[in-house]
Amino acid sequence: GAGVSQSPRYKVTKRGQDVALRCDPISGHVSLYWYRQALGQGPEFLTYFNYEAQQDKSGLPNDRFSAERPEGSISTLTIQRTEQRDSAMYRCASSFGGHYGYTFGSGTRLTVV
Amino acid sequence: GQQVMQIPQYQHVQEGEDFTTYCNSSTTLSNIQWYKQRPGGHPVFLIQLVKSGEVKKQKRLTFQFGEAKKNSSLHITATQTTDVGTYFCAGSSGAGSYQLTFGKGTKLSVIP
Repeated sequence: GAGVSQSPRYKVTKRGQDVALRCDPISGHVSLYWYRQALGQGPEFLTYFNYEAQQDKSGLPNDRFSAERPEGSISTLTIQRTEQRDSAMYRCASSFGGHYGYTFGSGTRLTVV
Repeated sequence: GQQVMQIPQYQHVQEGEDFTTYCNSSTTLSNIQWYKQRPGGHPVFLIQLVKSGEVKKQKRLTFQFGEAKKNSSLHITATQTTDVGTYFCAGSSGAGSYQLTFGKGTKLSVIP
């Protein structure tokens, strides 16, 4: 597609529920990144993939967070048993590979009530 | 872990004045990138610097990478209202992981 597409744009969920956030990167982009951005802060790294391989997941806060990219294209970030502290803007980005600029999507605003 | 610090956090300038934001890393970087995020928008890639001492220009924007590859700056000449937004630097240490560590950003306001 023309840009990085994320869905849903907004998600309100009750504490304890699981959520799945989707990212559709730019066609041909090898690398896909997940970041979390709090209001007034810079994006915070969560995890990234080259093709379908998860290269680095050191930024995932705990084992409730997981991500996959099974066919090297679309990726899903899953948060299990959501907590209020998980509320944030979740951003996906893609690039041609290491040391290339990222193209960010518009993000998913997650609110846990 | 790697930390990237930016100053100032906020900057208010009169239209036509110059603006500079500074970025410092706790570790040597393999490259540094700069992004601009408009209010309500998402970060948009501006430029990447790779070489020690590198200077790049984009119209009124000048980007520098320090000799030690631990600091960088973005300078805007004669700001315009269209320059409003938050400017982030983001660095990668390389070493097998290409994930970027972002600074907290400098929020620029331009008074017309």
